[in-house]
Amino acid sequence: DGGITQSPKYLFRKEGQNVTLSCEQNLNHDAMYWYRQDPGQGLRLIYYSQIVNDFQKGDIAEGYSVSREKKESFPLTVTSAQKNPTAFYLCASSISQTEAFFGQGTRLTVV
Amino acid sequence: GENVEQHPSTLSVQEGDSAVIKCTYSDSASNYFPWYKQELGKRPQLIIDIRSNVGEKKDQRIAVTLNKTAKHFSLHITETQPEDSAVYFCAATPYSSASKIIFGSGTRLSIRP
Repeated sequence: DGGITQSPKYLFRKEGQNVTLSCEQNLNHDAMYWYRQDPGQGLRLIYYSQIVNDFQKGDIAEGYSVSREKKESFPLTVTSAQKNPTAFYLCASSISQTEAFFGQGTRLTVV
Repeated sequence: GENVEQHPSTLSVQEGDSAVIKCTYSDSASNYFPWYKQELGKRPQLIIDIRSNVGEKKDQRIAVTLNKTAKHFSLHITETQPEDSAVYFCAATPYSSASKIIFGSGTRLSIRP
């Protein structure tokens, strides 16, 4: 079954804790992305990667970190420096300037 | 910086009428403009896209127009149906980074029966 998979679907974080969201794709796409979606708001770019071992900050990168050690994987770590992390996180992948395919998302809640 | 503005934020139309959503972009060298539909609780999915060498593209009830001079592009949905109710996002890819996708803030479209 080809596609892009995010896990977990729901994640709860305690104050001061780092958490990592997983994103895996088997579409052989070079580019991968992380977006944050807040209620009633658009998709804000956190980080993106155009190729393995390279990634760029988006508009709201503060408090987040990523790695791209493999083409298939682009994990996102939400650090304790992110003061308002409760949101819906979407991962996507694409071939440059073509359709982006999204994962089903991870809903992160701070408890 | 690179930016995509989308209007309106909410839109309610009578079933069977047309709906129009408009976007503007800041990078005049942007050359790829996709539109995504996100139904409640689901992931965004591409519904139509247009490239900068084309002024208009149609796919059944959906059309997109692009005005490069004004840096505007619009989504047109004709003969709206209840299943068109969703949030719609426009996006643009800046020339400076061919893989970067910048989204508008979204339009919540409701179709009244």
